[in-house]
Amino acid sequence: SQQGEEDPQALSIQEGENATMNCSYKTSINNLQWYRQNSGRGLVHLILIRSNEREKHSGRLRVTLDTSKKSSSLLITASRAADTASYFCAIHAGETSGSRLTFGEGTQLTVNP
Amino acid sequence: NAGVMQNPRHLVRRRGQEARLRCSPVKGHSHVYWYRQLPEEGLKFMVYLQKENIIDESGMPKERFSAEFPKEGPSILRIQQVVRGDSAAYFCASSPAVNNQPQHFGDGTRLSIL
Repeated sequence: SQQGEEDPQALSIQEGENATMNCSYKTSINNLQWYRQNSGRGLVHLILIRSNEREKHSGRLRVTLDTSKKSSSLLITASRAADTASYFCAIHAGETSGSRLTFGEGTQLTVNP
Repeated sequence: NAGVMQNPRHLVRRRGQEARLRCSPVKGHSHVYWYRQLPEEGLKFMVYLQKENIIDESGMPKERFSAEFPKEGPSILRIQQVVRGDSAAYFCASSPAVNNQPQHFGDGTRLSIL
C-alpha cells in the first residue's frame, strides 16, 4: 500500500508548545503534502514538499522530508487553540500532474488554551 | 476567486434512492477528483476526471457508482440504489494541469442514508 501513516493518532498539548506529527509511506513519491481539516469542513492545504526537497517553511509550520527513510514530519511552533484540527499527510506518487493523493489516517491535534 | 464548490452540503436519502453530488472546480482547473471519508478516517480516492474523460476510476465501486465531468457544468458523482454503507462525507478536489501543485478541496457533501 502507498498509504501514508501518521503518528501519533492523537496529540494534546498546551497553547504555546510545539506540535510534531510524523508521516511514513512505502513507495517512491513525486511530492508529499500536508493538509488540515477542521471538524465538519474540507481539507485546507498547508505545505507541499517535492521529492528533491528536504525542508520547507511556511509561517509557524516546518515540514521535513527524508526520502531514504520514506518519512516526513510537520512541526507547528508556538501552537494556538485555533490550530486544533486533524492533520493529514498525502502522497502524490504519479509522474504527471493529474494523479490521486493517498492519505493517511490523520493526527488529531488538540491545543488547550 | 471562488474555491471548489460542492452541493448540497448535506443530503439525506432512503435506501434504494439515488444520490447526486455536484462539484464545481476552481476556475481554470482541469482536473477533478472525488474522495470519500468515513468518520475518524482519512480520505480514500474514488475517481479522477478531466473534461469529458474518466482518467482513473480504480477507487470507485464498479456497481452503483458513476462520475462525469461534462464539457459544460459541474462534475457529478452519482450513487444509485444507495445502501446504509454509502453514508459518508464525499469530497471533491480540483487542481491545474501543472505538476507539483496542491489539490484544492471543497467542504464536502455529507450523505446520510436512512
